[in-house]
Amino acid sequence: AQTVTQSQPEMSVQEAETVTLSCTYDTSESDYYLFWYKQPPSRQMILVIRQEAYKQQNATENRFSVNFQKAAKSFSLKISDSQLGDAAMYFCAYRSGENAGNMLTFGGGTRLMVKP
Amino acid sequence: DSGVTQTPKHLITATGQRVTLRCSPRSGDLSVYWYQQSLDQGLQFLIHYYNGEERAKGNILERFSAQQFPDLHSELNLSSLELGDSALYFCASSDAAGGHNEQFFGPGTRLTVL
Repeated sequence: AQTVTQSQPEMSVQEAETVTLSCTYDTSESDYYLFWYKQPPSRQMILVIRQEAYKQQNATENRFSVNFQKAAKSFSLKISDSQLGDAAMYFCAYRSGENAGNMLTFGGGTRLMVKP
Repeated sequence: DSGVTQTPKHLITATGQRVTLRCSPRSGDLSVYWYQQSLDQGLQFLIHYYNGEERAKGNILERFSAQQFPDLHSELNLSSLELGDSALYFCASSDAAGGHNEQFFGPGTRLTVL
């Protein structure tokens, strides 16, 4: 079974600064997808960014980018120019691409606080 | 707004009771996934339905059951409720059974068991 680990329960960043959230995963599969979800106080789960394992290029979405290290099974999220609205829980998630079950497996989450 | 709706938003009930949570997927989505978010277990996958058929089961208790109806809405039934069942229950939908298609999450139903 796949596991996802987020080793930082809490992180804080100054507004306008950059922060990196860590995620590692364990899998024996070669085809899979990785995601970062944001959960603000409203509790809504919002997809921030996704990465296909077969793509070598790191995904980028505006101020959000990932550092995908497939051999190391590491998938970190970098938030640049942090804004107050970025304060939330962030979850790293894994999804098999091999039709063995397409559910999301989540890490334990990282609470990000943004200081004005 | 993801396009996925869940009712009710909040539910307060007593131990031993039975409740039904409802989910309407995005228009055109055939897959529905149920997840449970609790303080001690984190976010866990419960069950997946595709076009009315059960496709995968996760850590779903025998007291819990689900189904997906011909109009594609889904219901999660929780019975003999215990204090530990208090959690946020999410439904997510996607337009396929698998692959890389994104799952869109509903706003969740917060269940409190007293």
